[in-house]
Amino acid sequence: GDSVTQMEGPVTLSEEAFLTINCTYTATGYPSLFWYVQYPGEGLQLLLKATKADDKGSNKGFEATYRKETTSFHLEKGSVQVSDSAVYFCALRGSGGSARQLTFGSGTQLTVLP
Amino acid sequence: EADIYQTPRYLVIGTGKKITLECSQTMGHDKMYWYQQDPGMELHLIHYSYGVNSTEKGDLSSESTVSRIRTEHFPLTLESARPSHTSQYLCASSDPGGNFEQYFGPGTRLTVT
Repeated sequence: GDSVTQMEGPVTLSEEAFLTINCTYTATGYPSLFWYVQYPGEGLQLLLKATKADDKGSNKGFEATYRKETTSFHLEKGSVQVSDSAVYFCALRGSGGSARQLTFGSGTQLTVLP
Repeated sequence: EADIYQTPRYLVIGTGKKITLECSQTMGHDKMYWYQQDPGMELHLIHYSYGVNSTEKGDLSSESTVSRIRTEHFPLTLESARPSHTSQYLCASSDPGGNFEQYFGPGTRLTVT
């Protein structure tokens, strides 16, 4: 079945550092890929998405590129802020029978220190 | 901004009590979901619904039950709460369009003593 593997956390960075959170997936066909963010005490919010190979999703300075050849969708930000401290989830929507649900990774806790 | 609501936000109850966690959305979405989020943050799908009178169990076995009598309402019930039910419960609904974005409520943090 479909699966998502995320970089183990927690990740701690200083403000203005470069961020990469790795995400790889296993799925048949052509899945859609998502990054969700969960701030403390809140539900998940969609951060960005990409629906086909080589698409780049971007939002709030975050970017991720859908790489079919490496089955990856790594999240990057050039300069993190304290307000980016949150849990980040990579997710995919498969095709065919698995298209009815999202499959989530295990989440990566990010803490940004001033 | 998503219009999906959960009540209560926090609940502490004793073992054996019956509880219902409420979830409502005003977006007219047909698809709704319940996730259980463990302390390690991982999400587990426990129930979903594709419309009125349609409910299915998710990947993680759960002793809870759900109902979907109205499109906007998807409550989750525990007939007899136990300490093992202590967790965060997240409700979501999804866009009927092709992009399948899920909108999440703020969650209910349940503690069973």
